[in-house]
Amino acid sequence: ETGVTQTPRHLVMGMTNKKSLKCEQHLGHNAMYWYKQSAKKPLELMFVYSLEERVENNSVPSRFSPECPNSSHLFLHLHTLQPEDSALYLCASSPDRGAYEQYFGPGTRLTVT
Amino acid sequence: KNEVEQSPQNLTAQEGEFITINCSYSVGISALHWLQQHPGGGIVSLFMLSSGKKKHGRLIATINIQEKHSSLHITASHPRDSAVYICAVHMNYGGSQGNLIFGKGTKLSVKP
Repeated sequence: ETGVTQTPRHLVMGMTNKKSLKCEQHLGHNAMYWYKQSAKKPLELMFVYSLEERVENNSVPSRFSPECPNSSHLFLHLHTLQPEDSALYLCASSPDRGAYEQYFGPGTRLTVT
Repeated sequence: KNEVEQSPQNLTAQEGEFITINCSYSVGISALHWLQQHPGGGIVSLFMLSSGKKKHGRLIATINIQEKHSSLHITASHPRDSAVYICAVHMNYGGSQGNLIFGKGTKLSVKP
């Protein structure tokens, strides 16, 4: 399998649930990103990992907790979310952090009820 | 005001028409991307450019660094070109250097 994959593709969760989103890249890249895409808003950067180290946290609430166990995998752990957190969550990777082309996964459509 | 502005927000065209989508930005950049997002969410990079012009098939992207403006052109448009086209820029300063800032996207619908 090639490129950037994300699972699950769709997720419905209650406000008290705990779930995790998974991203995997098979491109040998060193940087990985989580983005949030809400309706009628630009994509927003949430987290950046470079060589498995978190290098940026864009004022994201603590109910979102990222994890990068190795350079190929990235997780986003979710707990006690709010309905306004419903959005498309996109993972991306790039050769290194910087002005490089980013490769996006298909996204996870999250609905919080 | 968003640092990256796209126009138009929505565009409907007839098959075969020449299409132009515009992007203006207000920050210093090291590169600009044009991305395509189909229904269902997946995003594909069409172009990354820092000067001049690039062409791939029926798609042409241009950038004018002095005017902080880029355009994406689609020649002989086809219904399969229907998608959201997103402009994004790499900032070239500060702690967020290298991060992408995105426009809201232009939703293109090409009718047969």
